[in-house]
Amino acid sequence: EAGVTQFPSHSVIEKGQTVTLRCDPISGHDNLYWYRRVMGKEIKFLLHFVKESKQDESGMPNNRFLAERTGGTYSTLKVQPAELEDSGVYFCASRVSGTGATEAFFGQGTRLTVV
Amino acid sequence: AQTVTQSQPEMSVQEAETVTLSCTYDTSESDYYLFWYKQPPSRQMILVIRQEAYKQQNATENRFSVNFQKAAKSFSLKISDSQLGDAAMYFCAYRAGNTGKLIFGQGTTLQVKP
Repeated sequence: EAGVTQFPSHSVIEKGQTVTLRCDPISGHDNLYWYRRVMGKEIKFLLHFVKESKQDESGMPNNRFLAERTGGTYSTLKVQPAELEDSGVYFCASRVSGTGATEAFFGQGTRLTVV
Repeated sequence: AQTVTQSQPEMSVQEAETVTLSCTYDTSESDYYLFWYKQPPSRQMILVIRQEAYKQQNATENRFSVNFQKAAKSFSLKISDSQLGDAAMYFCAYRAGNTGKLIFGQGTTLQVKP
């Protein structure tokens, strides 16, 4: 079974440009999360999809960030325009629905560098 | 707001020895879950162990075990018989029962010396 896959693994862009990150969750996982880790700091929650709906987007830093989940399958996170402080590693995770300590499976992350 | 604190930025252990990584958290919820994730240099985060707050028994997974002290809001990870492959960054994480998002600690980098 394929795990959570993220593209690209690394992206270097100039300030002011646009970047789109993609996440393919594990098939059948209704829950999809985006997190990011800015250099040297803790991993912070960005948003949570349940199927195609945004369940919680309280962690989105500002309106330069736009997340979508087409048809409840893969998700994209667009940063437009990118700023220097957006540099970091962006993680995607997916999880089945249901109660209990169900595991969130993570992708390998996308390292975004804004220069 | 819930918070998770890992007070040890770095730890080291001799191969085959035992090491304990500390984690404390703050919450007013009664229903929650705690996790330890491992992130090796490959960057892929892997679940090491999980604990349901309603369970008094400490979780154990092979060489990994936790010391869950609910009243003290402490959730430490013990790694026994440390192996070179255990070298990684370890994150403690909290999830409230009625939400899906994880709240992470700052992480502890574990070095295993041969």
